[in-house]
Amino acid sequence: AQSVSQHNHHVILSEAASLELGCNYSYGGTVNLFWYVQYPGQHLQLLLKYFSGDPLVKGIKGFEAEFIKSKFSFNLRKPSVQWSDTAEYFCAVNALKGFQKLVFGTGTRLLVSP
Amino acid sequence: EAGVTQSPTHLIKTRGQQATLRCSPISGHTSVYWYQQALGLGLQFLLWYDEGEERNRGNFPPRFSGRQFPNYSSELNVNALELEDSALYLCASSRDRDDSNEQFFGPGTRLTVL
Repeated sequence: AQSVSQHNHHVILSEAASLELGCNYSYGGTVNLFWYVQYPGQHLQLLLKYFSGDPLVKGIKGFEAEFIKSKFSFNLRKPSVQWSDTAEYFCAVNALKGFQKLVFGTGTRLLVSP
Repeated sequence: EAGVTQSPTHLIKTRGQQATLRCSPISGHTSVYWYQQALGLGLQFLLWYDEGEERNRGNFPPRFSGRQFPNYSSELNVNALELEDSALYLCASSRDRDDSNEQFFGPGTRLTVL
């Protein structure tokens, strides 16, 4: 069965610090990879996605992620976080073509202090 | 464009009762997904409906069931409620069954089983 691991459950950063959230998945075949974000009191929304092509993908609000196939990883990065980035971040994988099942990691709560 | 809507926002039931949760997808979307977000367990895939048919099912017992109506809205039914069914139930929709389509999430229904 596929699984997704997010290594950091809670991260606390000061504004302007750099961010990297780890995500590893277990599946040997073709995958679609996603990062979702849930701001306090808001819906889960898509931050960025990777289906194919350039392994470095850029998303909204200055976020980017790099797909490293050999490491089964899809880490999320942002060079300089803002207080408004305080949220919960979820990595997700869709590994079964045609089955539309998103497998989520357990999430990382990010707190950015001003 | 209106997003995915869910009702009710909160639902309180007692053990053994039945719960019905409702979801309206984004206009034009034919696929509807249900996920359970239980404390400490992250987001887990429950069900996928497309064009009125159940297309995929997560690892949940048969007392979790649902349906999709001709207007593509969907219901999730949970029978014989157990305390561990307390969770946030999220509905998502996508344009069609193409797995490259982004899933858009609703605000969720918070189910509490006493």
